Amino acid sequence: SQKIEQNSEALNIQEGKTATLTCNYTNYSPAYLQWYRQDPGRGPVFLLLIRENEKEKRKERLKVTFDTTLKQSLFHITASQPADSATYLCALVQAGTALIFGKGTTLSVSS
Amino acid sequence: DTAVSQTPKYLVTQMGNDKSIKCEQNLGHDTMYWYKQDSKKFLKIMFSYNNKELIINETVPNRFSPKSPDKAHLNLHINSLELGDSAVYFCASSRPTSGGAASGELFFGEGSRLTVL
Repeated sequence: SQKIEQNSEALNIQEGKTATLTCNYTNYSPAYLQWYRQDPGRGPVFLLLIRENEKEKRKERLKVTFDTTLKQSLFHITASQPADSATYLCALVQAGTALIFGKGTTLSVSS
Repeated sequence: DTAVSQTPKYLVTQMGNDKSIKCEQNLGHDTMYWYKQDSKKFLKIMFSYNNKELIINETVPNRFSPKSPDKAHLNLHINSLELGDSAVYFCASSRPTSGGAASGELFFGEGSRLTVL
């Protein structure tokens, strides 16, 4: 069956450290993968998109990697801050589908 | 200006009632979606419309009927509400699609929390 798994429901780290979130998928061949941030009571907000032919994408303190052999994407937040505390969702698209989301990882950054 | 707006934000109703949630986007996008987020925070696609035409319907009970009067609006009508319909419903939009797949980022509304008693 098709699955998108974010293998940690919750991740707690200290301010200043790098947070690494994992997204694995099975039985999909995504054209690209996206990461979103969701704060409590709000809608998801787009962060980054990475295509199947890209290995890495960066935006400020955020970095995403995409390994189509391992069927995995890693999402890194460097120099994390308490304001980075939120739920992070990975999502993928393959032909004929809308964006399909993982269940998310809730990141808590403590000062 | 809000890009994707949904009304109402909160909706509390009794089982068996019929209710509607409205969605409007001012981004000029051709494609709009309804997602359901359950109590476990899992965000699941329900419907996708491209330029007023239904392109994705993900095994949603036919008590749910989306309606798109124009490409800037996608409303969701739910008949005979059940307890299991309690969730947060998100509307979203994206740029033109090809074959039903979103071509880029989704812009989400703030959600409509439906509680069925």
